Amino acid sequence: AQKITQTQPGMFVQEKEAVTLDCTYDTSDPSYGLFWYKQPSSGEMIFLIYQGSYDQQNATEGRYSLNFQKARKSANLVISASQLGDSAMYFCAMREGDTGGFKTIFGAGTRLFVKA
Amino acid sequence: EAQVTQNPRYLITVTGKKLTVICSQNMNHEYMSWYRQDPGLGLRQIYYSMNVEVTDKGDVPEGYKVSRKEKRNFPLILESPSPNQTSLYFCASSLSGGGDNEQFFGPGTRLTVL
Repeated sequence: AQKITQTQPGMFVQEKEAVTLDCTYDTSDPSYGLFWYKQPSSGEMIFLIYQGSYDQQNATEGRYSLNFQKARKSANLVISASQLGDSAMYFCAMREGDTGGFKTIFGAGTRLFVKA
Repeated sequence: EAQVTQNPRYLITVTGKKLTVICSQNMNHEYMSWYRQDPGLGLRQIYYSMNVEVTDKGDVPEGYKVSRKEKRNFPLILESPSPNQTSLYFCASSLSGGGDNEQFFGPGTRLTVL
């Protein structure tokens, strides 16, 4: 069955340093998309970055990059130059293709704390 | 403004009293979905819809119903709410069901069932 695992319930990072949030997934569908969302304390869900299963290069969006290792089934989020405003909950998610019925599953999340 | 809206944003009700949470999007998206968020569990998909009149169960559909009679609306119905359905609910939409489509989320509905 499809699954998303985020093994870090909480992470601390010093302001201006880089941080990696881990995400591993499991699926038998050859076509899938991997997403990261940010949820600040205000509660809204903010899309950060996307990686397709057939993409050859790692996705990047500003200070966010996705370290995609398909053979290991990992899709770690790297935030460079952390800012205080990055303190939030981060969710990894996977959307399967037609083999998986187009379901979407989320990991349990990682709470990131950025220290001044 | 392109957005997903949910109504109501906050709701307190009692066990057994039927309720409907309205979700609407103005982006002409085909795919719509409902999730519930509980501490330590992330978001879990309740139901999703690939298009009008097409709905499918997610991972936690028990106790919920949905309908998709028109493209823009995807209401979530709790026929007989119970306290274990107290949660934060999100509606989301994307252009299609394909794996490369980001989802746009509504602001959330916080439901308390007493």
